[in-house]
Amino acid sequence: EIVLTQSPGTLSLSPGERATLSCRASQSVSSSYLAWYQQNPGQAPRLLIFGASSRATGIPDRFSGSGSGPDFTLTISRLEPEDFAVYYCQQYGSSPMYTFGQGTKLEIK
Amino acid sequence: EVQLVQSGAEVKKPGESLRISCKASGYSFSNYRISWVRQMPGKGLEWMGRIDPSDSYTNYSPSLEGHVTISADKSISTVYLQWNTLRASDTAMYYCARNSLSGNVFGSWGQGTLVTVSS
Repeated sequence: EIVLTQSPGTLSLSPGERATLSCRASQSVSSSYLAWYQQNPGQAPRLLIFGASSRATGIPDRFSGSGSGPDFTLTISRLEPEDFAVYYCQQYGSSPMYTFGQGTKLEIK
Repeated sequence: EVQLVQSGAEVKKPGESLRISCKASGYSFSNYRISWVRQMPGKGLEWMGRIDPSDSYTNYSPSLEGHVTISADKSISTVYLQWNTLRASDTAMYYCARNSLSGNVFGSWGQGTLVTVSS
């Protein structure tokens, strides 16, 4: 089973600052199979990035993804108030077919 | 517009059975697999399994296989998640999510169904 480890667990920043979130896989993961999601309290997750670096439909360009197996990064260039949420990375591979990281909580400093 | 609308919250006792649903609209139901994702209270996301509505072929997470059953009814564009014997540890929010055509990611999500199992 591929384990995804996200860091930091909590990131405290102010609006307008740049956020850098990390996701490290226990084995090499194809870039095609790495995605990022945002989850606001009480809401379902929302797909942000797929294929490690492609933005999903409607996602602002302040969100960007990069990296290659095993290290991936989600960057938010200038934080808006609505960006403070929990972020998960996810990979698609062998059993279990999909795994998620434990999440990074982005909170207002 | 793609929509996944889930059934409402449930409160059950340990040992009881339960089936929750996810009704899809806005796209060709048979063309996209649908997964179920669990989120236990205060915890992260866990993939449970998926179904291909075109032929009802299923894949399950090894940790949950045998405890839950995923099924689909093409005639009403609905996917189900079923338990025959609930446990207190099944208390969680359950999301259905539509897989992308490539199958790699979850592009659309239902609003979630909260299941509480308590004696």
